[in-house]
Amino acid sequence: QVHLVESGGGVVQPGRSLRLSCAASGFIFRSFGMHWVRQAPGKGLEWVAVISHDGSNERYADSVKGRFTISRDKSTTTLYLEMSSLRPEDTAVYYCAKDPVRFGSGSDYGWYFDLWGRGTLVSVSS
Amino acid sequence: SYVLTQPPSVSVAPGQTAKISCGGSNLESKSVQWYQQKPGQALVLVVYDGTARPSGIPARFSGSNSANTATLTISRVEAGDEADYHCQVWDSDSHHVVFGGGTKMTIL
Repeated sequence: QVHLVESGGGVVQPGRSLRLSCAASGFIFRSFGMHWVRQAPGKGLEWVAVISHDGSNERYADSVKGRFTISRDKSTTTLYLEMSSLRPEDTAVYYCAKDPVRFGSGSDYGWYFDLWGRGTLVSVSS
Repeated sequence: SYVLTQPPSVSVAPGQTAKISCGGSNLESKSVQWYQQKPGQALVLVVYDGTARPSGIPARFSGSNSANTATLTISRVEAGDEADYHCQVWDSDSHHVVFGGGTKMTIL
């Protein structure tokens, strides 16, 4: 079974930090880029960050650049999102998602998402 | 920045055909994806690259893209199709992933 399972969400005060995890299974994790996408309550989806198949390249949305760090551990097939200087507007359900492009196919990313997790809720409030 | 516009809601009776639009400037030049979102479940990719269907997605789901509008068509709608549907593109000019605001489809 192909799965992505997020964890680590919770209630956190503004200015504090939080680390999200995403456990991947059922596919060759080291061969695909991975993304984080979030959805604020009652709002649409917003792309947050991407990391290449081997962790050598990262990109971020302007809204989180300099505050969030995406990383991955190939030994545990886990994706991470380290969030610091959290703001109330970061309140959202955070989803991890798999990029469809396999390493070696000629492109780094397909820039869409063929597998999603169920998400983990982050609430930033004092 | 690039903007995708979806209607907030659509309603359709069981067995009928639902059409959900996604508008954007020169959208036909871009690869459009559609995702289905049901409460408490993982999102599902139902159409990619404008018209292609991932394995396991019923043929009732189809996509089209013309000029400034992409359309997700769901034929012979079933109660289980009730969900939010989101369109998405990669804007190569801004180097941004862009989502539409989502459309809530209600089965009457």
